[in-house]
Amino acid sequence: AQSVTQLDSQVPVFEEAPVELRCNYSSSVSVYLFWYVQYPNQGLQLLLKYLSGSTLVKGINGFEAEFNKSQTSFHLRKPSVHISDTAEYFCAVSEGNAGKSTFGDGTTLTVKP
Amino acid sequence: DVKVTQSSRYLVKRTGEKVFLECVQDMDHENMFWYRQDPGLGLRLIYFSYDVKMKEKGDIPEGYSVSREKKERFSLILESASTNQTSMYLCASTPSGISADTQYFGPGTRLTVL
Repeated sequence: AQSVTQLDSQVPVFEEAPVELRCNYSSSVSVYLFWYVQYPNQGLQLLLKYLSGSTLVKGINGFEAEFNKSQTSFHLRKPSVHISDTAEYFCAVSEGNAGKSTFGDGTTLTVKP
Repeated sequence: DVKVTQSSRYLVKRTGEKVFLECVQDMDHENMFWYRQDPGLGLRLIYFSYDVKMKEKGDIPEGYSVSREKKERFSLILESASTNQTSMYLCASTPSGISADTQYFGPGTRLTVL
């Protein structure tokens, strides 16, 4: 069975500072990995996903994530955050052919001026 | 753009009422999902459907049922609402059953059961 652990429930950071949101997963087979963002009062939307190939994945809004198979991690990074990045971020893992994803508990990123 | 819509953004119901949450997607997606989202618990899968009239239980199906009579519409039913079903409900769809698919989410329905 697959599972996802987001290591930080809340991450406060100042504007223009770098940020890393951490995600570890557990699975017995090859997986696909996703990061979604949820802005206040909205549904989730895809930031980026890792399917195969290069372990460094670039997404929207300047975010990127690195897949590390040996450490079973998929941490999300941004070199310089903006106030508008304040949101909740979810890491998700999907395996097999079921089309289902398992989501982490979420990390609330708060960017302060 | 894929569009997933949910019938209500906010809903207030009383204990014991039958509640219907509707979800419609306009991109001919095969799969549809219902999640509930609670603070600190992330998204938990209630039910999903791979095709019309087909349904599968997710991780927390108790107290819920679903209906998929048409490909574009997936309904979540609370037969007898209880206060512990107060939550944010999110609907999602994917093009097929491939695990690499992105999930496309609706805006959510915040349900309060009094």
